[in-house]
Amino acid sequence: NAGVMQNPRHLVRRRGQEARLRCSPMKGHSHVYWYRQLPEEGLKFMVYLQKENIIDESGMPKERFSAEFPKEGPSILRIQQVVRGDSAAYFCASSTRSMVPNNSPLHFGNGTRLTVT
Amino acid sequence: KQEVTQIPAALSVPEGENLVLNCSFTDSAIYNLQWFRQDPGKGLTSLLLIQSSQREQTSGRLNASLDKSSGRSTLYIAASQPGDSATYLCAVNPGNQFYFGTGTSLTVIP
Repeated sequence: NAGVMQNPRHLVRRRGQEARLRCSPMKGHSHVYWYRQLPEEGLKFMVYLQKENIIDESGMPKERFSAEFPKEGPSILRIQQVVRGDSAAYFCASSTRSMVPNNSPLHFGNGTRLTVT
Repeated sequence: KQEVTQIPAALSVPEGENLVLNCSFTDSAIYNLQWFRQDPGKGLTSLLLIQSSQREQTSGRLNASLDKSSGRSTLYIAASQPGDSATYLCAVNPGNQFYFGTGTSLTVIP
């Protein structure tokens, strides 16, 4: 029973390029969450998606960042025109049902470490 | 806005000791609280989830308690082992997302 799979594990981009981060949730999970972890900081919520729907994107920067979770295939977090400040670890988590009111625990992937040079 | 604080930021104990990690949160309107461990360069591993109606959860040598009204949770680790060395994160869920603390970095010395 594979866990949450994220790829690539490490991604290096030059300023101005695009970064695409992929997340395949655990089997049977239809709820996906993206978090960002900066050095010496806690995890910060970015976006919550269900299949084909964005439920909550209140933590997502308004520009350059977008996320999708299509009917088929992994969830994608896309960062356009990356800047050095985007360098961070990006984690994806999934759950079987919505956390409210079902109290479904979150299961995390190993993250994608993005370095912008 | 929900703020989650974890004290201490770092802790070093000899193998075999029992220890307590603390987590506090500012808004008691939560649905649940989850404790995770994170190993260097890795993702988060779920340890325990406590629903708002519960006061504690146990798994092996781990016991987590929740006092929602006072905005506090503790993670108790019994008979610590070197393999317990990691960063422990507490997260609270008031709705569609978890708010995380910055973690307690635990080192268990053999």
